[in-house]
Amino acid sequence: GESVGLHLPTLSVQEGDNSIINCAYSNSASDYFIWYKQESGKGPQFIIDIRSNMDKRQGQRVTVLLNKTVKHLSLQIAATQPGDSAVYFCAEMGTDSWGKLQFGAGTQVVVTP
Amino acid sequence: NAGVTQTPKFQVLKTGQSMTLQCAQDMNHEYMSWYRQDPGMGLRLIHYSVGAGITDQGEVPNGYNVSRSTTEDFPLRLLSAAPSQTSVYFCASSSGTANEKLFFGSGTQLSVL
Repeated sequence: GESVGLHLPTLSVQEGDNSIINCAYSNSASDYFIWYKQESGKGPQFIIDIRSNMDKRQGQRVTVLLNKTVKHLSLQIAATQPGDSAVYFCAEMGTDSWGKLQFGAGTQVVVTP
Repeated sequence: NAGVTQTPKFQVLKTGQSMTLQCAQDMNHEYMSWYRQDPGMGLRLIHYSVGAGITDQGEVPNGYNVSRSTTEDFPLRLLSAAPSQTSVYFCASSSGTANEKLFFGSGTQLSVL
């Protein structure tokens, strides 16, 4: 069936370096994508979103890239800080699944000093 | 601004017991939803509501009931708890008619023995 998944379950990054978290999706009808950050013991927190009519969107220290040709989504975090340590989820919603956000399994990002 | 408030934070049930997980939001959001989070599986949608009086099933609705009598509240009911329902439950809301840019509560850790 259609699914959203992540390439790397755990990503170790040195403080100050840039982080790249990848996500693959298989639903060709997906037209809205979103990244969430979840710290231990807390609910997911919105980071950034992007629609399928865009291929790049930037926020504060974060950039989301969308490659619809290969159905790939990535989140780039600039100058990674200890506070960026968390689990990051990508999620997608398609024209055939209105109202139902489909989440990936998540990537654990560990920032080392 | 409280955002999305979930109660209780922790709950232990015996198999066959019933209970209601409470969710309230003070942002006047039309869209509300319930997710469960299990290790390595991301978040899965249980039920959602696009407004008062309207509810619909998500990906894993079996064993759960919901109602939406007011805009603010969206309780989740377990009529006869089963060990398979041991999970962390998150309530979320958004201002749109779909679940874009969801705001999540802090979660309820439920254990069914």
